[in-house]
Amino acid sequence: KNEVEQSPQNLTAQEGEFITINCSYSVGISALHWLQQHPGGGIVSLFMLSSGKKKHGRLIATINIQEKHSSLHITASHPRDSAVYICAAPTEGGSEKLVFGKGTKLTVNP
Amino acid sequence: DAGITQSPRHKVTETGTPVTLRCHQTENHRYMYWYRQDPGHGLRLIHYSYGVKDTDKGEVSDGYSVSRSKTEDFLLTLESATSSQTSVYFCAISTGTGGPGANVLTFGAGSRLTVL
Repeated sequence: KNEVEQSPQNLTAQEGEFITINCSYSVGISALHWLQQHPGGGIVSLFMLSSGKKKHGRLIATINIQEKHSSLHITASHPRDSAVYICAAPTEGGSEKLVFGKGTKLTVNP
Repeated sequence: DAGITQSPRHKVTETGTPVTLRCHQTENHRYMYWYRQDPGHGLRLIHYSYGVKDTDKGEVSDGYSVSRSKTEDFLLTLESATSSQTSVYFCAISTGTGGPGANVLTFGAGSRLTVL
């Protein structure tokens, strides 16, 4: 079964800083997911990627399949980026079942 | 955008009572999931469905049952609620044409259940 680890658990930044959140997993996968959970509790999908890099606005997600590692970057961070960021991966290679990291709580201060 | 609604959004019940949570989607997506979220554990899969009457267990399925008699509805039932089942429950659907585990998830707003 895949094990998904995120770091750091908590992250505090000043507005404008470059943010990096890391995710590592133990078993080869079809795709890795990055989610954002707002302070109000809602969860939205940010990225799903199986190779390389994806970019959406100020958010960039990268994955290194060989090293079983993914990063989520936020450029020019803003207080509205404050949320919990969660990565998730299939429990095993071709599974529909996902295992989730425990999340990284990001606080961006003005 | 895929529409997904959960009901009820909040429920307080007593130990030993049955509880049913409903997840409804407005499109005909095949895969539906029930997760629970607890502090220190993150999201954990309870059950999921890959079609009408087709379901499978997740990692924390004990004490829960599910049913899917229509494509659009996926029900989660706690036959006899216990305090350990106090949690926030999220329904999700999987959209897209990727392979297993490679489709975008859309989550419902969550259902907060308190078992006294």
